[in-house]
Amino acid sequence: NAGVMQNPRHLVRRRGQEARLRCSPMKGHSHVYWYRQLPEEGLKFMVYLQKENIIDESGMPKERFSAEFPKEGPSILRIQQVVRGDSAAYFCASSRQGANTGELFFGEGSRLTVL
Amino acid sequence: AQSVTQLDSQVPVFEEAPVELRCNYSSSVSVYLFWYVQYPNQGLQLLLKYLSGSTLVKGINGFEAEFNKSQTSFHLRKPSVHISDTAEYFCALYDNTGTASKLTFGTGTRLQVTL
Repeated sequence: NAGVMQNPRHLVRRRGQEARLRCSPMKGHSHVYWYRQLPEEGLKFMVYLQKENIIDESGMPKERFSAEFPKEGPSILRIQQVVRGDSAAYFCASSRQGANTGELFFGEGSRLTVL
Repeated sequence: AQSVTQLDSQVPVFEEAPVELRCNYSSSVSVYLFWYVQYPNQGLQLLLKYLSGSTLVKGINGFEAEFNKSQTSFHLRKPSVHISDTAEYFCALYDNTGTASKLTFGTGTRLQVTL
């Protein structure tokens, strides 16, 4: 039983480049959440998606950030023209469709470093 | 708006001593509450959750927490800690209002267990 899979685990980009982070939810889960963890801070909600739909993107920066969860394949968090302030750990979590208990299953994170 | 406050950013404790990690929350609706643990360079793992029923909740690794509605608290406790409990602990609240549903996290408490 594979858990939430994220890749890459570590990503280094220079300022101005693009970063793409991928997340495959647990089998049977159709709800995906992205969180960002900055050094010495807690997790900040970014976006909540279901298959082919963005449900809540209230935590996403207005520019350069986008997310998708296509019908087939993993969820993608895309950061264009990265800046040093984007350096953080990005965590993906999933939950089973219809679950209303709030329990999320987390991946091990993708750590982005912007030089 | 809902929020979670973890007053202690770091808690040092000797092995085999008891520990309490504090969590207070603010919400205008009925809540679900969670404690997650994060070991270095890993994702978050669920320790325990309160959904309803008994206010004393037992979780994995000997941890327990008590939901106190009048004090809006959900403190985490362990009667005797081990070196392996050294980690970051996050309290979280489940927001299920409207069409969106997501976990709101506190800023975390770093538990440092020493000999």
